Amino acid sequence: QVQLQESGPALVKPSGTLSLTCAVSGASISTNNWWNWVRQTPGKGLEWIGEIFHGGNTNYNPSLKSRVTMSVDKSMNQFSLELTSVTAADTAVYFCARGGRGLDYWGQGILVTVSS
Amino acid sequence: DIQMTQSPSSLSASLGDRVTITCRASQSVSSALNWYQQKPGKAPNVLIYAASTLQSGVPSRFSGTGSGTDFTLTIDSLQPEDFATYYCQQAYRSPLTFGGGTRVEF
Repeated sequence: QVQLQESGPALVKPSGTLSLTCAVSGASISTNNWWNWVRQTPGKGLEWIGEIFHGGNTNYNPSLKSRVTMSVDKSMNQFSLELTSVTAADTAVYFCARGGRGLDYWGQGILVTVSS
Repeated sequence: DIQMTQSPSSLSASLGDRVTITCRASQSVSSALNWYQQKPGKAPNVLIYAASTLQSGVPSRFSGTGSGTDFTLTIDSLQPEDFATYYCQQAYRSPLTFGGGTRVEF
C-alpha cells in the first residue's frame, strides 16, 4: 500500500521560506512516476505547484516558478518543496501526491499558515 | 494555462438520485481528464482517469464521458457516502489545472 506523509513547520513568517518534505512508503520513489505538490485554499481551490521525477527533472507552475524548488532524496525515499518569499496568500493546505493514473496517491495534507 | 470550468458549483440531491456534473476545458485536452472526490478534511481521491476509466476500487455507479473540451461525471443512484465535493483536472498540458469543484449536498 503506497502511503505519502507530509511534514514541516505549520507556521512560517512572511518573507520566509516554506519547506516541506513528503515521505513515501510502500513504493520506491525511483519508479516511473512523477511526484507532485498541490495546495488548496478556500479562495483559489486546488492549485498544482509542480512535480519532480526521481532523476531530478522538474516541472513547475509558471505562477510560482520563480519561488519554487523541488528536490528528491532517493536514499530517504522522499521528496521536498521549498517556497521562498512567502506571503499570507501562500497560507494553504499543502498535499504531496503521486502522478500515476491521475494523481493516484495523496498525503493527508498539512496546513501551513504564513503569519508573523 | 488551460482553464477548467465546472457546473454547477453546488447541487442538492437525494439518495438514489442520478447526478451529472459537467466540466469544460478552455481548449482541447483530448482524453487527459481526471475526476476526484474530496470529503472535508481529506485529500482528493481519484475516481476516474483518462476521462472514462474507473480507478480500481471505485464503485461502478460512477462513470465519466467526454473528450476534447466537454466532459461529464455521472453518479447513478446516489449513496450516503457520495455527498462530497467533486473536481475535474486536466493532465494534457502543464501546468495541471483543476476545476473549481462541485459540492453535492443533501
